[in-house]
Amino acid sequence: ENALTQSPGTLSLSPGERATLSCRASQIISSRNLAWYQQRPGQAPRLLIIGASSRAAGIPERFSGSGSGTDFTLTVSSLEPEDFAVYYCQQYDTSPLTFGGGTKVEIK
Amino acid sequence: EVQLLESGGGLVQPGGSLRLSCAASGFAFDENAMSWVRQAPGRGLDWVSSIGAAGGSRYYPDSLRGRFIISRDNFKNTVYLQMNGLRADDTAVYYCVQGRGPLESWGQGTLVTVSS
Repeated sequence: ENALTQSPGTLSLSPGERATLSCRASQIISSRNLAWYQQRPGQAPRLLIIGASSRAAGIPERFSGSGSGTDFTLTVSSLEPEDFAVYYCQQYDTSPLTFGGGTKVEIK
Repeated sequence: EVQLLESGGGLVQPGGSLRLSCAASGFAFDENAMSWVRQAPGRGLDWVSSIGAAGGSRYYPDSLRGRFIISRDNFKNTVYLQMNGLRADDTAVYYCVQGRGPLESWGQGTLVTVSS
């Protein structure tokens, strides 16, 4: 299976700061079949990014994704209070679908 | 608006069975693959199973194949997860999800607790 490793585990930042989250795959992900999700406390995950870099419907422009091959990045350009949450990457290139372990973005 | 409403969770003894249901609305159910994803307390996300739009294709991780069975009824706009031989490590919130690649829309989840 294609294991995904996210770093850092926790990111402590202030509102207005830039967040950069990393997701590294153990095998190449072809066709950029990688997604990012946000999970706020007590809520279900929400799809943010598909195809490594395309925002899902209704997702603000401050969220952007990049990368290819085995290295991918989610960037939040300027953190809003509602952005403090856990973020997961997920590959849908090969079965089984796999998720990274998550990065928690917390208020500093 | 997409709505996914899970039901059927609860407390079950080790070795027992449970059937989860997910009633879908707000989209063309019979044109969409569906999935189940679970999250153990305080842990990350784990893919459980997916089913194609017509129901003919079913997908599982090797670790769950043979114990869990996914199915759907396109007349009732409902997807099911039959879970057998439940173990303590199956304890989790089980989410019903629209899609099989990117997981587009998520239900609020139903808690399954396996304990004696």
